[in-house]
Amino acid sequence: QSVLTQPPSVSGAPGQRVTISCTGSSSNIGAGYDVHWYQQPPGTAPKVLIYDNINRPSGVPDRFSGSKSGTSASLAITGLQADDEADYYCQSYDKSLSARVFGGGTKLTVL
Amino acid sequence: EVQLVESGGGLVQPGGSLRLSCAASGFTFSRCSIHWVRQAPGKGLEYVSAIGTADDTYYANSVKGRFTISRDNSKNMLYLQMGSLRAEDMAVYYCARERAGSNHGDYDHWGQGTLVTVSS
Repeated sequence: QSVLTQPPSVSGAPGQRVTISCTGSSSNIGAGYDVHWYQQPPGTAPKVLIYDNINRPSGVPDRFSGSKSGTSASLAITGLQADDEADYYCQSYDKSLSARVFGGGTKLTVL
Repeated sequence: EVQLVESGGGLVQPGGSLRLSCAASGFTFSRCSIHWVRQAPGKGLEYVSAIGTADDTYYANSVKGRFTISRDNSKNMLYLQMGSLRAEDMAVYYCARERAGSNHGDYDHWGQGTLVTVSS
């Protein structure tokens, strides 16, 4: 029952492209608040992949890209690699809750 | 190099208290908003609390009235005083820096986390 909804899991073969959706509402993404994406490999702390909807921090490969439209956002990963296996979380701000909110997380499996 | 190092986690009984600390280095601590984010075992990330550069404080509804966030800019330290702890507070607690110059920005640096276990 996260405020932002993500698919529990996605998978793809090495080299393929996958997308992870993040659906919110008029109280968060639809209200114009930015969406950020994090990658969390097993047993490690999260790391920002995409910030302010589309921006990549230095050091993040351009295989990762973000987009936002209406009340949703998406993370796309091209050229899948084995070390992309991780949990991915979207995050935004909700004006009704006056708080940061996260998606429930998506587990990416590289087949 | 930006570093955030949490400490203070451990085993506490339901109803008990615990104080977490986060030592910051490698940046001008006083100019950044710092947050606590937690992750229950096998679960997702959950925002807990934040403190801004003017010592303005913010809390998730789930911890309001039980947790208190504070900072000591002279020591580059962030704290989370947790009280009336419940089983559902059991989690790894991360401190995370909000990207400088942003409004409702992302967390551009995270600590390694400290585990809080609530059990009798």
